[in-house]
Amino acid sequence: TQLLEQSPQFLSIQEGENLTVYCNSSSVFSSLQWYRQEPGEGPVLLVTVVTGGEVKKLKRLTFQFGDARKDSSLHITAAQPGDTGLYLCANGDDMRFGAGTRLTVKP
Amino acid sequence: DTGVSQDPRHKITKRGQNVTFRCDPISEHNRLYWYRQTLGQGPEFLTYFQNEAQLEKSRLLSDRFSAERPKGSFSTLEIQRTEQGDSAMYLCASIPTGGINYGYTFGSGTRLTVV
Repeated sequence: TQLLEQSPQFLSIQEGENLTVYCNSSSVFSSLQWYRQEPGEGPVLLVTVVTGGEVKKLKRLTFQFGDARKDSSLHITAAQPGDTGLYLCANGDDMRFGAGTRLTVKP
Repeated sequence: DTGVSQDPRHKITKRGQNVTFRCDPISEHNRLYWYRQTLGQGPEFLTYFQNEAQLEKSRLLSDRFSAERPKGSFSTLEIQRTEQGDSAMYLCASIPTGGINYGYTFGSGTRLTVV
């Protein structure tokens, strides 16, 4: 099992600020997924990255997969209160999750 | 098909009782996963099925836990002799075989409270 470490664990920012959260491992992945989870609901897939160095954009969210395919980042531009939630990364090989980053965006 | 359905959404039980949860995956999805999630943590893998075959079980899945997917469609997760430490959200997810790029579709979960 490849362990995923997510940082920071908690993040509280004001609306309009930018932020980056990280997902790291000592192992190489063939693919990595990012999910967002709201309280009382299951995670919802945001993106899957499969190629080292890959960058994917989803509106104000930018996902990057490290060149060595051991790490990934999620950058949110001009955060909004609707971005509040638990952001999870998952190893696409065995579908194990990190502990997540809990983001709160204050209006 | 509206997605992955889990039933019940909430379950309160007394310590020592048995409980069973049901998951109905998306109909064309061959793989079905069960996870447990406690407050503030990411989902912890419990087990997964490829059609009706249970291919992997976590060491977290003690002998009080059992999962089935008898016809390769819906799945059940049973916890016998529940303990307070079993209180958690139990999540089910499904995916077509080889469909990693499409991601996993999760249900809304069953929240178990053991009192």
